[in-house]
Amino acid sequence: GENVEQHPSTLSVQEGDSAVIKCTYSDSASNYFPWYKQELGKGPQLIIDIRSNVGEKKDQRIAVTLNKTAKHFSLHITETQPEDSAVYFCAASKQAAGNKLTFGGGTRVLVKP
Amino acid sequence: DADVTQTPRNRITKTGKRIMLECSQTKGHDRMYWYRQDPGLGLRLIYYSFDVKDINKGEISDGYSVSRQAQAKFSLSLESAIPNQTALYFCATSDPDRGSETQYFGPGTRLLVL
Repeated sequence: GENVEQHPSTLSVQEGDSAVIKCTYSDSASNYFPWYKQELGKGPQLIIDIRSNVGEKKDQRIAVTLNKTAKHFSLHITETQPEDSAVYFCAASKQAAGNKLTFGGGTRVLVKP
Repeated sequence: DADVTQTPRNRITKTGKRIMLECSQTKGHDRMYWYRQDPGLGLRLIYYSFDVKDINKGEISDGYSVSRQAQAKFSLSLESAIPNQTALYFCATSDPDRGSETQYFGPGTRLLVL
């Protein structure tokens, strides 16, 4: 089955700096890669996703890049703000598996003011 | 009002007890999921259901069972709880047939098995 690894497990950045989280996946048939943000005491919430026919996608201060050849994808957060402090999860899925998500282990991001 | 609700939000139980976690949704989605979250392991799929008559095991179904009572309700049971089932449990819903693969998560149930 699919295996998704996520690094780093914790990330501390100064407010205004950029944050990058990286994930690798094992199944070359995976074609959908979402990122979820989990704030304290809440369930995860989708923040951005990318499909395998696209190399990069951007939404305001967040962007995701995908390298299908290397089987890795990354989340980039620019101009970090205190409200970006949360746990972030990457995931991968493929249509042939019923679109079930396999999650990475999570990254705890702390933005220091 | 929340679209995906879970009850209870917190539960303490003893080894060997049977407990049920409940999930309800008002999104009208056909697909529902149960995950558990452990530190460093992300979210792992326990069971999923693509409609009322379709129930499937996920990657860590041993020790768990589920019931899909209606489109809106999906319950997770621990028949005989053990300490390593202490975790944060999440229910989620999705409806890819509407053009989006987004999963919508409930607020979670924190379970402690003594």
